[in-house]
Amino acid sequence: DAGITQSPRHKVTETGTPVTLRCHQTENHRYMYWYRQDPGHGLRLIHYSYGVKDTDKGEVSDGYSVSRSKTEDFLLTLESATSSQTSVYFCAISDTTSGGTGELFFGEGSRLTVL
Amino acid sequence: AQSVTQLGSHVSVSEGALVLLRCNYSSSVPPYLFWYVQYPNQGLQLLLKYTSAATLVKGINGFEAEFKKSETSFHLTKPSAHMSDAAEYFCAVRTSGGGADGLTFGKGTHLIIQP
Repeated sequence: DAGITQSPRHKVTETGTPVTLRCHQTENHRYMYWYRQDPGHGLRLIHYSYGVKDTDKGEVSDGYSVSRSKTEDFLLTLESATSSQTSVYFCAISDTTSGGTGELFFGEGSRLTVL
Repeated sequence: AQSVTQLGSHVSVSEGALVLLRCNYSSSVPPYLFWYVQYPNQGLQLLLKYTSAATLVKGINGFEAEFKKSETSFHLTKPSAHMSDAAEYFCAVRTSGGGADGLTFGKGTHLIIQP
């Protein structure tokens, strides 16, 4: 299994509070991603990173920010959480040395509930 | 833009019967296609991938998929269903030719195995 650790795995918070989810990888992969999973929507890309300090927006980036100060860590921040951000969040990494297939390796997920 | 459509949000088969999960894609570049499986409360695990080599791709746990360009399809099959196959299955396509911006996922198909 790819060495991807997400924390926290479960969090309950209140509307308006800031929340940070952390993804840590031990694979030294260049690309990292944050997806959210919601019933009926599958997985949707929030933000991704293609290197330290290099990030870009995905399909559903409004209300989220990210940072990557080290190769191994990719943080997802909700500046002011809303109930619509209740979801399961998945971190994924991509191995650019595997022929460029784009295959993703996923973490176990972080379940966030915003009351 | 690339997209994926999975036909049927829920599919129910009897144990021992053929499993067929449908996936159609739309891609403006030669597609790289993937099937992932998600067991309850876990992350996504790669079942198999098509990367422009053989059109019939064999994956783990006895699953296989056939790439049909004329039909823009990448359906997943397994000859004989097992109770342990009950899970959520996602079809995905590489979002861009370069692969940096991740995968675009279908909405998922929940596979139910009847005893």
